[in-house]
Amino acid sequence: GESVGLHLPTLSVQEGDNSIINCAYSNSASDYFIWYKQESGKGPQFIIDIRSNMDKRQGQRVTVLLNKTVKHLSLQIAATQPGDSAVYFCAETRYGALTFGSGTRLQVQP
Amino acid sequence: EAGVVQSPRYKIIEKKQPVAFWCNPISGHNTLYWYLQNLGQGPELLIRYENEEAVDDSQLPKDRFSAERLKGVDSTLKIQPAELGDSAVYLCASSLGDRASTDTQYFGPGTRLTVL
Repeated sequence: GESVGLHLPTLSVQEGDNSIINCAYSNSASDYFIWYKQESGKGPQFIIDIRSNMDKRQGQRVTVLLNKTVKHLSLQIAATQPGDSAVYFCAETRYGALTFGSGTRLQVQP
Repeated sequence: EAGVVQSPRYKIIEKKQPVAFWCNPISGHNTLYWYLQNLGQGPELLIRYENEEAVDDSQLPKDRFSAERLKGVDSTLKIQPAELGDSAVYLCASSLGDRASTDTQYFGPGTRLTVL
């Protein structure tokens, strides 16, 4: 029902620590994966992407790891900052159709 | 460069009333998407346009929802009549459209609809 969606998994970290957000995807044929960040009152914002023929990709302070064997995706944020507080969604795409996973709320404690 | 623009940002209506949302995509983006986002959940695709053609509307509840993108640029999404369960955030996104499965989608801020 309505209450299920309100209970987002929450990850609470101390400022300066590294964060790891995990995601399980469903479609083994998906060829492209994306992490989005969504702050309150805003639309999802692109963070980093990875193609299915890769297992790791790094950006500025972020790294995405892809394990196709167990259909698992993770987002690592180095030196987490208060501005990183948001809901993070993984998404998979095949033939242009983007499917979002359930989000994780990241709370950064000062 | 301006991002995806949506209006209105907020809309409160009574059930059974009609409502419309407007979206202007990033300049040069051929593909436009409408998503619905319920509280605490990820966005769900309603319809995807490539230029003015709706190429995926399989998740659009066609009995009450309609959409158009007449000139292949901006788009409107309409609900008539609105029901209580339509309360959600309606997101518009756009992408270049030149690489189907790896196009980055850029989202607008959304329209928060409340149906009373």
